[in-house]
Amino acid sequence: GAGVSQTPSNKVTEKGKYVELRCDPISGHTALYWYRQSLGQGPEFLIYFQGTGAADDSGLPNDRFFAVRPEGSVSTLKIQRTERGDSAVYLCASSFALLNEQFFGPGTRLTVL
Amino acid sequence: EDQVTQSPEALRLQEGESSSLNCSYTVSGLRGLFWYRQDPGKGPEFLFTLYSAGEEKEKERLKATLTKKESFLHITAPKPEDSATYLCAVESGSARQLTFGSGTQLTVLP
Repeated sequence: GAGVSQTPSNKVTEKGKYVELRCDPISGHTALYWYRQSLGQGPEFLIYFQGTGAADDSGLPNDRFFAVRPEGSVSTLKIQRTERGDSAVYLCASSFALLNEQFFGPGTRLTVL
Repeated sequence: EDQVTQSPEALRLQEGESSSLNCSYTVSGLRGLFWYRQDPGKGPEFLFTLYSAGEEKEKERLKATLTKKESFLHITAPKPEDSATYLCAVESGSARQLTFGSGTQLTVLP
């Protein structure tokens, strides 16, 4: 079946603008995760959902970052008042159950000018 | 706080030259150790999950092993298509997210 998909694949924005990044998980996966990856580093956890609710948002760097998953499937990561330091690849992953391996999407490369 | 350290940062091998990548970890209650492969411009691709010390898993030219403090990814007779960044991650305690190392960038020369 289809893997995790993310849109857009690339997003260029200006400092101070608002952006939304979308993630479509593998069908039937109940858990969904957002990570952020900077060049030369491993992915860094942001938030995870079990169903519709954010079970752990401890990785969100500040209140400019917010994510939703209203129907327990597609998720949107929202970033307000973007800063140049927000530039990174934003990865989404999903899994069937909490202990199982996470399957990653291709990522959205965000560039804040 | 969970910590994952991978070494070396970069490794260049000749085709057929076997070697090992190291992943050292410090966690409070390991639930699983994961190996991923990441090609440039792509998301991480799942390779293995190891759950307890002494466990081993194999896939083609790759074998992953686990002790109480570290994991090794052994690459036997590598080919140029094995070139990628290999990431190690842990899941621990009550936390559900993965904590990743910085990865080992492997280059296999023909």
